[in-house]
Amino acid sequence: IAGITQAPTSQILAAGRRMTLRCTQDMRHNAMYWYRQDLGLGLRLIHYSNTAGTTGKGEVPDGYSVSRANTDDFPLTLASAVPSQTSVYFCASSSSGEGHNEQFFGPGTRLTVL
Amino acid sequence: GQNIDQPTEMTATEGAIVQINCTYQTSGFNGLFWYQQHAGEAPTFLSYNVLDGLEEKGRFSSFLSRSKGYSYLLLKELQMKDSASYLCAVRDSNYQLIWGAGTKLIIKP
Repeated sequence: IAGITQAPTSQILAAGRRMTLRCTQDMRHNAMYWYRQDLGLGLRLIHYSNTAGTTGKGEVPDGYSVSRANTDDFPLTLASAVPSQTSVYFCASSSSGEGHNEQFFGPGTRLTVL
Repeated sequence: GQNIDQPTEMTATEGAIVQINCTYQTSGFNGLFWYQQHAGEAPTFLSYNVLDGLEEKGRFSSFLSRSKGYSYLLLKELQMKDSASYLCAVRDSNYQLIWGAGTKLIIKP
């Protein structure tokens, strides 16, 4: 693994189904993030984790949950998908502490909920 | 509320210079980022400003005025590969990034 990976690349999901989007990084970054990107809107933060074992809610957390059992993995779960959750989902990670700590992004998951 | 404004779309000619503006109103300020995003790809980091002034990195420069809540990204010697969206983001008092909707830059030969 080099950097940050996401799976699946794309998915079509029936409304009401449960879905977990996977995210793994190998940069030993403390912080990880989940965003959704919709046409005409900026990236919106869903959930974040500043360090393993902790998570926090972002701007649009409803309908999503996350866990951070270890440093490398940060899965995002949709408990019961709805069509408004159709979007491109990006996972990102960053170091913390001194420095500007830019976020590095995974390639994204394109999710369609029908 | 928090707000980041940037033009939706800009067009420029190969070899020319283009300036993409970003204005912001956020709860606190802990730095401003510019990212590039090609269609269908992930955003990639371009530049970071936390103090007023100009930061230069090759063909790209970024400027910040904290008192005016204003930044710009300057791209020189434009190349066709610079066709992409450019995202402005501000790190707020909670150290979270607030993102603009992005500026789609179209480069014409």
